[in-house]
Amino acid sequence: DAKTTQPNSMESNEEEPVHLPCNHSTISGTDYIHWYRQLPSQGPEYVIHGLTSNVNNRMASLAIAEDRKSSTLILHRATLRDAAVYYCILRLCSGGGADGLTFGKGTHLIIQP
Amino acid sequence: GAGVSQSPSNKVTEKGKDVELRCDPISGHTALYWYRQRLGQGLEFLIYFQGNSAPDKSGLPSDRFSAERTGESVSTLTIQRTQQEDSAVYLCASSLGLGGDEKFFGPGTRLTVL
Repeated sequence: DAKTTQPNSMESNEEEPVHLPCNHSTISGTDYIHWYRQLPSQGPEYVIHGLTSNVNNRMASLAIAEDRKSSTLILHRATLRDAAVYYCILRLCSGGGADGLTFGKGTHLIIQP
Repeated sequence: GAGVSQSPSNKVTEKGKDVELRCDPISGHTALYWYRQRLGQGLEFLIYFQGNSAPDKSGLPSDRFSAERTGESVSTLTIQRTQQEDSAVYLCASSLGLGGDEKFFGPGTRLTVL
């Protein structure tokens, strides 16, 4: 799996937008970009994923650079409940074979009230 | 509907004992994964089951670790002769098994080896 690079931690204020960056310079053409988050004492939960175009869902937006070597997860209006570790992961688009979804250490997002 | 469940939620054992951890995936999910997460670390892939195919065991750290899955249902992760370094949260996830699909994680089993 191609590797990703994320800042160890970020801090933001409640009700402000948050932009979480991820670098994946060795991404291949068949890799999807996935984001998961892990709240304290819970298993990870899916946030969003995309391939080339920007994506929006009820939780967040995903902005993907034109060369796909980086992406940004955008939380439009952070709440205290968004405090978590955010993982940026690359995943082969094919469902066959090993599909381990390798997680790094992620970004620890701290939200200040 | 019900999500992925794992049992027990916590397990404390003595060094050298065997332990079994259970995962009940979401019904209809053909893919099942086991991960290990040490304190303050990211997730470490252990093993992957996809339907009736042979499992991908490439992430198992030693031959003390094994896992089984019956059809597309329950999976059991077994750790024999536990060591203190095995202490971690063991997470199970399941998915539909399609390319790029969402994984659903269970709450994990916290294993402490004394």
